Amino acid sequence: AQSVAQPEDQVNVAEGNPLTVKCTYSVSGNPYLFWYVQYPNRGLQFLLKYITGDNLVKGSYGFEAEFNKSQTSFHLKKPSALVSDSALYFCAVSPLNTPLVFGKGTRLSVIA
Amino acid sequence: SQTIHQWPATLVQPVGSPLSLECTVEGTSNPNLYWYRQAAGRGLQLLFYSVGIGQISSEVPQNLSASRPQDRQFILSSKKLLLSDSGFYLCAWSSGQGLGGELFFGEGSRLTVL
Repeated sequence: AQSVAQPEDQVNVAEGNPLTVKCTYSVSGNPYLFWYVQYPNRGLQFLLKYITGDNLVKGSYGFEAEFNKSQTSFHLKKPSALVSDSALYFCAVSPLNTPLVFGKGTRLSVIA
Repeated sequence: SQTIHQWPATLVQPVGSPLSLECTVEGTSNPNLYWYRQAAGRGLQLLFYSVGIGQISSEVPQNLSASRPQDRQFILSSKKLLLSDSGFYLCAWSSGQGLGGELFFGEGSRLTVL
């Protein structure tokens, strides 16, 4: 069965420091991988996706993610965090022709 | 450009009352449509998805139902709400080319059952 794990419920980082939000996955075949962000009482917004090609994917708002096939990971990163990055982040995996499976979410708090 | 509308944004309903949440998509044709529920501000649970008019797949057995009367309209319903139905309901769509593509979400409907 396909699954996504976000091992951290909460990540705290100081403004200006680099941030990492972790995601590992389990899926048959080659995965499509996604990151979404959710602000309070809003829908999810797409950040970036990995389909194929370069392992480092660049997305919206300065975020990037690195696909690591051997470790089955797709960690979200940003070189310098902003207070406005504080939100709930979801990793998702797309098994072949089935709806996206989402992780439980990681709450990012960026402290000024 | 494509847009997705979801309403109502907020509602408070008594236990045992009916429910109808509506979602419409503009600017695309033959989308895949989805209903997710988010409880306690955390994980997303897929409730229903649809690949075409009248075609509904249910992921979780419960007292909710979904219908797709038109190509770009997706409705979530209940005849009698339970307390456990409270949550944040999100509608989403994806391109009709398979189910594994990028999802585009509406702004959500927050349901409180009292």
